[in-house]
Parts: sequence; C-alpha cells; structure tokens
Amino acid sequence: KAGVTQTPRYLIKTRGQQVTLSCSPISGHRSVSWYQQTPGQGLQFLFEYFSETQRNKGNFPGRFSGRQFSNSRSEMNVSTLELGDSALYLCASSLVAAWDPGNTIYFGEGSWLTVV
Amino acid sequence: KNQVEQSPQSLIILEGKNCTLQCNYTVSPFSNLRWYKQDTGRGPVSLTIMTFSENTKSNGRYTATLDADTKQSSLHITASQLSDSASYICVVSGGNAGNMLTFGGGTRLMVKP
Repeated sequence: KAGVTQTPRYLIKTRGQQVTLSCSPISGHRSVSWYQQTPGQGLQFLFEYFSETQRNKGNFPGRFSGRQFSNSRSEMNVSTLELGDSALYLCASSLVAAWDPGNTIYFGEGSWLTVV
Repeated sequence: KNQVEQSPQSLIILEGKNCTLQCNYTVSPFSNLRWYKQDTGRGPVSLTIMTFSENTKSNGRYTATLDADTKQSSLHITASQLSDSASYICVVSGGNAGNMLTFGGGTRLMVKP
C-alpha cells in the first residue's frame, strides 16, 4: 500500500511569507503528526491530529498551525516565516495515537523548506 | 525538563564489526521508547518499540535493550553492513503533557568497507 505522501518536497520562501505543507497518510490511518528537523535542534514534535482534532502540541509559537480533514489528510501552515524556520518538515501517520506503544509511526520523506 | 541524550554523536566502524549506540532519558512518566533509522534525506523508519516491561527487543541484526530503572537504552548492531550507514534516533514517549514524543539528537553511523 502507498506510504505517507508529503508535498511539496522542496520549496524556497522569503522571510515574512507564509507556507502550507500537505500530508496524505497511509490509507486507514487516523493519526497524523508533524515534526521539524534541523541540524541544530534535531527532530522536534510540532503537533498531532486525530480524527480532525488536535490532540497534542509541542513547544512551537502560534505561527505554526495545522489542521486535519475528514479524509485524514493534513496540512501544516507556517505564517510570517523566519530564517530559523528553514528545516525538513516531516509528517507521520499511524493507526491510533502516535505515542501508543502498540502503534508504529510511519514517516513521509519530508518537505525541505528554505527561507531566504 | 524531558530530555533524551544520545551518544556518541557520530561513529565510524568497519564493515562486519559490531557497535552499540546509547540513549539516556529523563522523560517521566515513561510510556515507551523507540529506535529509528534515518537515511540521509529520507524519513525515519521504525526499528523497535519497547515498553516499561520489556528489556530486549530484536529486529534482525538490530537489538535494543532498555533499563527503565536507570533510564538507559542501547541499540546494538551486529555484523554491520554498508547499508547501516545512517542516523539512529532514540525517541521516548511520556511526560506529564499527555504522552509527548521527545527525540534524541541521533547518532550518525558510518560503516566503511
């Protein structure tokens, strides 16, 4: 079956702009979580959605937001981009909650965002 | 503060040799610990998931151990192959804020022929 699909794979934005990233989870998965990965900070949890509701949120400013649609597809938005937002943004899907130990999280290939 | 520390940061070994990667965490309360392999430019892939009651879990040539008392985990790679070259990330689930995922900084492993 198809894996987690993220679009776009690469994008370049200017400081102050906003960006929307898209994630299509594995069919049947209801949980979608988002992560930021940078060389300096490593992987950091952004938020998790389950059945269109945000269930967990990491320590990121309000400029980072997301939503999940009824078909489980999810979008992540970053407004007023800063240079420090340059990162690999990873989306992951799972059948149930991301933290559930009986539950494998499957990651997409990520969206590489460069802010100039 | 919930933290996950991995060591070493990077490691170079010869093909066929074994190696052990370390993960120490302060996440409390603890739910589970996962090891992921991430190839350069790709998303992480799950290797093992362990709960409080599990001491060891294997996935092929990868064996993870967990000591929940000392809050330490290790990932042992046996008979390394060139394809093992990747970053290995330790992830701990738990904490007071509703089972957050806390990631270690990863160990970058390079296997040389």
